[in-house]
Parts: sequence; structure tokens; C-alpha cells
Amino acid sequence: GESVGLHLPTLSVQEGDNSIINCAYSNSASDYFIWYKQESGKGPQFIIDIRSNMDKRQGQRVTVLLNKTVKHLSLQIAATQPGDSAVYFCAEKGASYDKVIFGPGTSLSVIP
Amino acid sequence: GAVVSQHPSWVICKSGTSVKIECRSLDFQATTMFWYRQFPKQSLMLMATSNEGSKATYEQGVEKDKFLINHASLTLSTLTVTSAHPEDSSFYICSAGDQNQPQHFGDGTRLSIL
Repeated sequence: GESVGLHLPTLSVQEGDNSIINCAYSNSASDYFIWYKQESGKGPQFIIDIRSNMDKRQGQRVTVLLNKTVKHLSLQIAATQPGDSAVYFCAEKGASYDKVIFGPGTSLSVIP
Repeated sequence: GAVVSQHPSWVICKSGTSVKIECRSLDFQATTMFWYRQFPKQSLMLMATSNEGSKATYEQGVEKDKFLINHASLTLSTLTVTSAHPEDSSFYICSAGDQNQPQHFGDGTRLSIL
């Protein structure tokens, strides 16, 4: 099967601080990018997405930045809360109905 | 609420048995669904693309005779792990979505083979 990376890097932040999770994607032809949050024992949950014709998109407490030049994606979480503790995956997708490929993931731990 | 339902959520069985996992889209029709596998502390690995009314498309290295996929209706895809062995123990996750929406994921099936 296709995958990117094997083991989860971790990020620990203090409650109330901002978190930045980074991701390098592999396919320059990908035109759609998604961030997912996965809690223990559950499937991934959609957070925010961005298309390749944009470089920034904001949601509630989250912002996604896309740098196509260096194939880099980041997720910023403002005022991180304990409920934000989870594993975060970036994912990339090509044309319609094309498969979604996941990045290696980052485990976010929020310190109360 | 959940838009993709996966069943069962947990299964434990003896080595050599076959296990069927169901994935349902609850309020939309999905001509395409995807099956992933996830080992502890690792990312989701795409196994195959399930196509309604036609054969599934398997990723490189995934045995199609081992992991049988059936997508007989626009709301249901099934994954059967045939003659399961301990190395098949994993977290299996399906996803579905229409063309212009992000994929929605089921809550996964924890498969444990004794």
C-alpha cells in the first residue's frame, strides 16, 4: 500500500499557547489538501481543507497555510486546549475521486 | 452525526477464519469508497479503492485474494479478510465522499487475530 512515513513525531504545548504542525507533501500534482484529527480508537475527523489555488485558509481557531513552492503545509491551532490532544494528519489528493494519501502524522499533547 | 458507519467496531477471532467488515454511507451515495489499514502509532495506509459495480483497485503490495472487497450498492462496501492470521491484526478504516466534498471516515474496526 501507499503511505508516507512510518512513526509519529510528537509535539507538546502548554494549554493556551498556539500550536503549529507541519507537513511536507510528496506529489506536486496534488491540488487539494486536508488536515484530519484522529483521537484514540477513532477514525480521522475532518478539520480544514485548502485547494492549491489558495495559500491560506482560516477556520474556527485553525489556520492552514500552503506553500506550493516547497510543498509544505502547516496547521496552526490558536489557544490550544486539552481537547485538541490527538494525532493530526495532513493528506493530499489529486483529481476528482483520486485517492487521499496521508502524511506521517504528528501527535499533539496539550499540557494543562 | 456520523455520515460513514463501520461495523463491527471490534472483532476478535481465531487464526484461519475470515472476517467481514462493512462500511456504509449514511446520507449520501458513494460510487467510490476507500479502505485503509493503520498499525499502532503509524499513519493510515491506503489498501484499495472500492468501486461500485466493478472491481476494486488495489494498492501495490496489497493481496487482492487476501482482502476481498465488494461494493454491491451505492451505500455499502465490504472488506473481507480471508484466512486471517495474527499479522493481519490491525485497525481497518473506510472512507467515502462525493466528488466535491472531503472524505468522511468511519470509526474503524479493530481486528485482533489470536
